[in-house]
Amino acid sequence: DTEVTQTPKHLVMGMTNKKSLKCEQHMGHRAMYWYKQKAKKPPELMFVYSYEKLSINESVPSRFSPECPNSSLLNLHLHALQPEDSALYLCASSQQGRVSPLHFGNGTRLTVT
Amino acid sequence: GIQVEQSPPDLILQEGANSTLRCNFSDSVNNLQWFHQNPWGQLINLFYIPSGTKQNGRLSATTVATERYSLLYISSSQTTDSGVYFCAVANYGGATNKLIFGTGTLLAVQP
Repeated sequence: DTEVTQTPKHLVMGMTNKKSLKCEQHMGHRAMYWYKQKAKKPPELMFVYSYEKLSINESVPSRFSPECPNSSLLNLHLHALQPEDSALYLCASSQQGRVSPLHFGNGTRLTVT
Repeated sequence: GIQVEQSPPDLILQEGANSTLRCNFSDSVNNLQWFHQNPWGQLINLFYIPSGTKQNGRLSATTVATERYSLLYISSSQTTDSGVYFCAVANYGGATNKLIFGTGTLLAVQP
């Protein structure tokens, strides 16, 4: 069982919808991440939160809006997405610091119609 | 930004065979991790190894940071080893948690 839980597992949304992806971890990790992965490609870093503050934004379009309400939760709010945003969205967490293996959730498979 | 290339891109093995996967990176790193993505999409952390050698069962990894490469060894491969293997690195002098993934090696182990 993964220690990073993502919901929902699958999501289909229209281009005018607003939806949110959720991620939760209870390992006491203080760094949390969103990655996007297209088919047959490596994961691409989107955002990193350290101690609940956004520390890295990899020039992600504003239609993706991250939120870290507390040290255990990470959300990704979606609005006005395009079909090319369809992908597997992966959440991860790690301890903050150098010795910090990344632990991934199982992902949310998003389809934008 | 840092470039991370993995080889070979694809690999087919018979069960029981050994293999070596390579990760080359274009700049000094302060964080390097190996992952296995299974056919259902789950990413499992195999090693945190910015330098030196580590072993975990049938898997071992070696990073030669001065020469900018890392190797993942799989011995006595099993069908459950199938999937994509990624290395991910963070550029030295940058954020240690800005992990950039390599191109991946797709491994198929046949019974």
